[in-house]
Amino acid sequence: QLQVQESGPGLVKPSETLSLTCTVSGASISSNNFHWGWIRQPPGKGLEWIGNVHYGGATYYNRSLSSRVAISLDTPRNQFSLKLNSVTATDTAVYYCAARTIAAGGWFDPWGHGTLVTVSS
Amino acid sequence: DIQLTQSPSFLSASVGDRVTITCRASQGINSYLAWYQQKPGKAPKLLIYAASTLQSGVPSRFSGSGSGTEFTVTISSLQPEDFATYYCQQLSSYPLTFGGGTRVEIK
Repeated sequence: QLQVQESGPGLVKPSETLSLTCTVSGASISSNNFHWGWIRQPPGKGLEWIGNVHYGGATYYNRSLSSRVAISLDTPRNQFSLKLNSVTATDTAVYYCAARTIAAGGWFDPWGHGTLVTVSS
Repeated sequence: DIQLTQSPSFLSASVGDRVTITCRASQGINSYLAWYQQKPGKAPKLLIYAASTLQSGVPSRFSGSGSGTEFTVTISSLQPEDFATYYCQQLSSYPLTFGGGTRVEIK
């Protein structure tokens, strides 16, 4: 059964880089069955798609974050990661990783439990 | 970017009511739309994909319909466990986008 789980620091200082890892179990991240994504949700607000990395390594990002974000695969560890630099308080959110099926119009399932990242000095 | 507009943003209903939530896309997205349910403190859960296909394990009181620019999710008889926030997401093209959410609360 495919599962994904986020990990990383819960507190990041302003202007520094937020780094999160998503560990995948039940499937290989390099198999051609899934793409891998990050979504975030500020406290009390809606969902915002951050970006995806495809199994071959191609990446796609939210335009509003594209200058600060990088998503990459770590195939040996069966993980993928999110890096968001120059963070501010507005980047405080619960960050979710999720698998996206490669079918046309592929949906996100499953999701990780989410990890709260607070940006504060 | 494709904008998704959900309505209503808030809905108050009673157990047993029939409830419909609408999601409108700013341009055609075929049937590349998913619906998610989110309860407080929990991750979103996939309910419906490809606009109308029920995810395995989701109760049959949920149904989805639509294509192009207008989509709906209907709960035929609202149950206590259905009180949650519902989001639509377009998966037609990057950047992927979500609707603003519809919170369903107990009347």
